Parts: sequence; C-alpha cells; structure tokens
Amino acid sequence: AQTVTQSQPEMSVQEAETVTLSCTYDTSESNYYLFWYKQPPSRQMILVIRQEAYKQQNATENRFSVNFQKAAKSFSLKISDSQLGDTAMYFCAFMKHGSDAGNMLTFGGGTRLMVKP
Amino acid sequence: NAGVTQTPKFRVLKTGQSMTLLCAQDMNHEYMYWYRQDPGMGLRLIHYSVGEGTTAKGEVPDGYNVSRLKKQNFLLGLESAAPSQTSVYFCASSRQTYEQYFGPGTRLTVT
Repeated sequence: AQTVTQSQPEMSVQEAETVTLSCTYDTSESNYYLFWYKQPPSRQMILVIRQEAYKQQNATENRFSVNFQKAAKSFSLKISDSQLGDTAMYFCAFMKHGSDAGNMLTFGGGTRLMVKP
Repeated sequence: NAGVTQTPKFRVLKTGQSMTLLCAQDMNHEYMYWYRQDPGMGLRLIHYSVGEGTTAKGEVPDGYNVSRLKKQNFLLGLESAAPSQTSVYFCASSRQTYEQYFGPGTRLTVT
C-alpha cells in the first residue's frame, strides 16, 4: 500500500513571494503519477499540476512547479509570485499506473496555505 | 458541460436512517469514484467503478454500498447511517488516463 505524507499542516506567505510545500511518499511501485490538488474554501478539488514518475523533467504550470526527487520519494510544490487566490488547502496525491490499478488516488493529509496581503 | 454533479449538496440524517447519494457525469468517463473527507484530512477512497455494471472496494468501504447501472451515474448508499459517517463526500470521474474530475461535494451529518 502507498502512503503520502505532508509534514506542514499550515503555512503562510506574503503576496508576491514564493512558497514551497513539501510532500513525501512511500511506494514499491516504479511506475506511477503524482499530483497536487488545490481545495479553496468552496471545497471544489482543482488539479494544480501532475508529474509522471518516468519523466525526469520537473512539471511546470505557469506559477506552479514541482521538485520531483524519485530516489528520495519527494514531491514538493513551489508557488511563485503568490496571489491571494492561492489561499487554500493543498493536497499531494499518488496514483499507481497500470490497467488493474483503477486509477485510485491516495491523498496526503493536506497543507493549509494562507497568502497574506 | 456540467462536468460532475452531486445530489444532494447537504443532508442531515439520524442514526439508523438510510440514504443514497447520486453522482452524475456528462463526460462519457469510464471510471468513477466515491471519496470521503473528514475534517483536517485528505480524501479517502470508499468505492470505485471501472465501467458500467462493475464496482470495487477502496480504502474505507465498510458501511457503504454502490451501484453503477448506467455509465453516467454512480450511486453511494448508506443502509444504516452512523455518526462516524459524518463527512463530506466527493464523487470523481476519469477516462482510462489519470486525471480525475471532482464534483462539488455533499456534506452529510449523522446525529
């Protein structure tokens, strides 16, 4: 079974600054995906960024980028030029790849990010 | 496209009562999922389906049943609700690739 750990329950950052959220995971699988989801106060789960484990290049989506360290089983999210709208819960998630996997997601406990004006 | 919708948005049950949550998706996705989210925690998978007429257990299936009679709908049933089932329930769907699309959630309180 996979486990996902987010060691920072809460973080805060000043508007326009950069913040990094940490995530570690444990798995014996070699082929998998990793995700960061954002959950604002509306409760809607929004996909922020995804990373395929077989890709060495770190994924980037506009102001969001990841630092994927496969050997260390680490997957951190960097938010640049933080905006007030980035205030939300952020969840790291793991998905095993394979036809029998059912695309099931395993989530971490979340990090609450507050962006201060 | 409505995406993934959930009915109802809120519900209060008494212990022992039953209810069904409905999830509908209009994206022709093969896979559908039910998760629960407890306060301060991430989502945990209850049951999932990889196609019409098929269901499988997730991480926390006890006390719940599901059915997928139509491709676009995935029902989650509680036969005898317990206070431990107070939670926010999320439905999601996906193609046979990895991105899951989530519904807005249903807040259920069992007293």
